[in-house]
Amino acid sequence: IAGITQAPTSQILAAGRRMTLRCTQDMRHNAMYWYRQDLGLGLRLIHYSNTAGTTGKGEVPDGYSVSRANTDDFPLTLASAVPSQTSVYFCATSSGRGYEQFFGPGTRLTVL
Amino acid sequence: AQSVTQPDIHITVSEGASLELRCNYSYGATPYLFWYVQSPGQGLQLLLKYFSGDTLVQGIKGFEAEFKRSQSSFNLRKPSVHWSDAAEYFCAVNAGNNRKLIWGLGTSLAVNP
Repeated sequence: IAGITQAPTSQILAAGRRMTLRCTQDMRHNAMYWYRQDLGLGLRLIHYSNTAGTTGKGEVPDGYSVSRANTDDFPLTLASAVPSQTSVYFCATSSGRGYEQFFGPGTRLTVL
Repeated sequence: AQSVTQPDIHITVSEGASLELRCNYSYGATPYLFWYVQSPGQGLQLLLKYFSGDTLVQGIKGFEAEFKRSQSSFNLRKPSVHWSDAAEYFCAVNAGNNRKLIWGLGTSLAVNP
């Protein structure tokens, strides 16, 4: 593993189904983030975690949950997917020094 | 509330021409400032950042940006654009003692041959 990996790369999901997007990092960064990117709306923060064991809500948290059991993994779960959750999802990390964030390659999710 | 504005949604330039992408922020003190680039189908990559010191910062791929406190701006520049620079560009700000970034909505750059 080099940097940040996200899985799956893309997914088509039926509405009402549960889905977990995975994010794993090997940079030992304390902070991790989940964003969604939609045309014309830019990047919107869903949830974040400043350190293992803690999480916080971003600007669009409804319908999503996260956990941070360890430093490396930060899964994002859609408990019951809806079409409005169709988006590209990016995981990011930050060491905290300087606040710059590093991004994974993204997961393209389509909810039908 | 803190905010970041990228006034230009879409810009088209000819290859070899100069480029300036605008970014304005709203915050009382000096923030940490960033420019990211996103190529089609890819994640975001950091181009450059400003924390303090020299207000003209150099980044990767020949880009530079200038922080102007009086104008609350952090505009991105490149003297000669290459076709491979066609991408989405995002300005971001950290304006507080937390690890969250505030993002502009992005500027889409097209490059004509």
